[in-house]
Amino acid sequence: DQQVKQNSPSLSVQEGRISILNCDYTNSMFDYFLWYKKYPAEGPTFLISISSIKDKNEDGRFTVFLNKSAKHLSLHIVPSQPGDSAVYFCAASVSSSARQLTFGSGTQLTVLP
Amino acid sequence: DGGITQSPKYLFRKEGQNVTLSCEQNLNHDAMYWYRQDPGQGLRLIYYSQIVNDFQKGDIAEGYSVSREKKESFPLTVTSAQKNPTAFYLCASSIDFQGSANYGYTFGSGTRLTVV
Repeated sequence: DQQVKQNSPSLSVQEGRISILNCDYTNSMFDYFLWYKKYPAEGPTFLISISSIKDKNEDGRFTVFLNKSAKHLSLHIVPSQPGDSAVYFCAASVSSSARQLTFGSGTQLTVLP
Repeated sequence: DGGITQSPKYLFRKEGQNVTLSCEQNLNHDAMYWYRQDPGQGLRLIYYSQIVNDFQKGDIAEGYSVSREKKESFPLTVTSAQKNPTAFYLCASSIDFQGSANYGYTFGSGTRLTVV
């Protein structure tokens, strides 16, 4: 049973437009959420995170929104650039747990010039 | 520069062979993790270690083994018992198991294992 789901395997947007990547989760114990970006043949790199006590966190062109009641989070990239083309993974954790991050299956973002 | 080094980048294994994937970090991180990535799937946890000489099974530990004799090193052995070992393997570390929530992981660049 996938506890973190990214239902869109791919997304294409025009350069300069907004990219919106979505993520749903089922485990109500998750209280910390992260987004990672991955280029081919490389390890993922941390992008942005949000604690469950917030509903929005912004870092430059990247904003993450959290809707706890819907168990949904989204990553907005504005404006999108060709260099943003990568696979984006959503991840969640129970911060008080000794366990670790649970990842979604990823969304391939392609930003078209 | 601090980071995580995985080697080799590409590895070919014959049926029935054991192979060991290397993961070394110089970040002074306590916690280390091994994940497997398959096409269309998320990163699935194989093993993790919170501290030296201690490690725990993840979601898909069958057919794998690890050791954590040094803080810097967390090698993964893919044994012949692993029925479908062809995948991309990622090693990660975090300051500590609490830090994995607050600061995320630092990942290595991965090892692609292919069974021939």
